[in-house]
Amino acid sequence: GNSVTQMEGPVTLSEEAFLTINCTYTATGYPSLFWYVQYPGEGLQLLLKATKADDKGSNKGFEATYRKETTSFHLEKGSVQVSDSAVYFCALSVDSNYQLIWGAGTKLIIKP
Amino acid sequence: GAVVSQHPSRVICKSGTSVKIECRSLDFQATTMFWYRQFPKQSLMLMATSNEGSKATYEQGVEKDKFLINHASLTLSTLTVTSAHPEDSSFYICSASGGKGGYTFGSGTRLTVV
Repeated sequence: GNSVTQMEGPVTLSEEAFLTINCTYTATGYPSLFWYVQYPGEGLQLLLKATKADDKGSNKGFEATYRKETTSFHLEKGSVQVSDSAVYFCALSVDSNYQLIWGAGTKLIIKP
Repeated sequence: GAVVSQHPSRVICKSGTSVKIECRSLDFQATTMFWYRQFPKQSLMLMATSNEGSKATYEQGVEKDKFLINHASLTLSTLTVTSAHPEDSSFYICSASGGKGGYTFGSGTRLTVV
């Protein structure tokens, strides 16, 4: 079946550190891949997405590349800020299916 | 872990009728509930945020009279799609905060209006 696995949190980093949050998936067909972010007290927001292999999604300094060979969509940022503290969710959506398959979420804490 | 039970998982209704979707937090108190809508192969769209005992806050462009949200208790929130039309057909999902995991999603409801 379809599934998403992302690294457990919380992940605690110092400001300006390099961030990687791992996400791997299993899916039939050709899924679209998403990263969502939820800041404290707010709803989910789409951070970035990629719809086919080798696509790179990017937004707000975050990047993720759709790697079909490794079935991965790792989230990266070169220099994190305190304001990046949030919960990050990796998700996939498969052809002909409405439903998003979610990772468990990774809480990111950035310390000044 | 924290569990949110959402039902029904699928519903088909006739145009002009109303449909109620329930989300229950089974083992924690959901102080805040988020309701989302998703179109095929697209991202989620936040519809509204509700806090227990108070009126929901709707996102811009979401009709509050059409999508009625009730969050009367710490374990139950409902979304009622009133006078449904085919363009309301979509996937609706709730997410609750308050459990140890931070945010927990329901399994979603696929609504088809015919």
